[in-house]
Formats: sequence, structure tokens, C-alpha cells
Amino acid sequence: DGGITQSPKYLFRKEGQNVTLSCEQNLNHDAMYWYRQDPGQGLRLIYYSQIVNDFQKGDIAEGYSVSREKKESFPLTVTSAQKNPTAFYLCASSPRQSSPGYTEAFFGQGTRLTVV
Amino acid sequence: GEDVEQSLFLSVREGDSSVINCTYTDSSSTYLYWYKQEPGAGLQLLTYIFSNMDMKQDQRLTVLLNKKDKHLSLRIADTQTGDSAIYFCAETPDSNYQLIWGAGTKLIIKP
Repeated sequence: DGGITQSPKYLFRKEGQNVTLSCEQNLNHDAMYWYRQDPGQGLRLIYYSQIVNDFQKGDIAEGYSVSREKKESFPLTVTSAQKNPTAFYLCASSPRQSSPGYTEAFFGQGTRLTVV
Repeated sequence: GEDVEQSLFLSVREGDSSVINCTYTDSSSTYLYWYKQEPGAGLQLLTYIFSNMDMKQDQRLTVLLNKKDKHLSLRIADTQTGDSAIYFCAETPDSNYQLIWGAGTKLIIKP
């Protein structure tokens, strides 16, 4: 079955540690995204990638890093520089559009990160 | 910049209709979407409407678009307990294909 998989579902991190969240898709989508979700704040874009080996910062990129070495994979590292990392993280993918228009994003099930 | 606004909560009785509202600022929006997020899960596309349409109906769902007022609504007829979720409004501006998200409306169903 085609889909987008995030792992782990729950992650605990000690203060000062870096952690990496996994996101894999087998939908053959060019574009991938990382969002952070906090209660009452909707989805805030952290990073996105439209093509392999290229990615751009979103609205809240500070304290995060990504890589896009393969089309299928877009891991997110939450670094110790991120001051308030406890949140629900969502990965999404979509087909790359050649011109503005209809965009359907497919989401993973999310990773809940808690700093202990 | 572009902005999408929604109320954070809506409470309705089981069997009643739910109407979730959304306003947006970008008049060049090409598509507007409703996504549904069940507890502890990712989002799924529920329905969408192209900007040259006024209304779209799909079974229990009705989407209304008022381009003049930049107002989008989602009506769920005969609301059931399985409709409990957070509903996100989103748009794609004409300038790019990024999705601009509202904060989400949590739909609470009362028995």
C-alpha cells in the first residue's frame, strides 16, 4: 500500500540532546514537508523540499535541520538549539506542481516528541 | 501575507448539522481545502473547492465559498460521533503551491 510513514510514534528526549524523526514515503512524490503542531496554533511549516538534495526553510526552522538525500526520505533533526521542542510533528508529501494549482498533501501519523 | 482564520471550537448535538467557518485574506487563492484530523493522527483531505465555484456537495458534506467576502464554510449534515475531529481549512495562493493553513476547529459532539 502506498503511504507515508513516520517513526517513532512517541519520542522522549533529554534536554541538550539531538533527536531525529524519520519520514518515509512510497508515493513517488517530489515534495515533502515537516510541520509542527501545537494546541490552538494549527500547522507551522518547519522545512520543505521540492526535489532531492534541495530544501528550504519554513516559518520556524530555527533549531531544526533536515536532509533530502533520497526521494523517499526526509528526516528531521531536532537539535539542542530548539528551546521548546515538545510538540506533535507531522510529515507530509505531495506531487510537485509545475504551476500553482491543486495540491493534495498526504500526511503521516505524526510523532509526539516530549522533552524530559 | 496570506492568512487563514478559524474558530478553535464548535460544539453541536448528535444528529444536528455542524457548520465550520473559515476566512482567508488572499484573493488570488485558486483552491480551498478542508482537512480532517482525528485524535493522535495525521490529516486527511476531506474535500476541496476550486475558486470559481460557489458550492460543492459530497454526501453529508457541503462546502460553500463566498469569494467576495473571502469566506469558506463546511457543513456536515446529521453529525455523528465519528465526526469528532479537528477540521483544518487551507488554501493554495495563486503565487505558489504551498498550503496555507488555518489553526483548526475542534468539533465536539454532545449526545
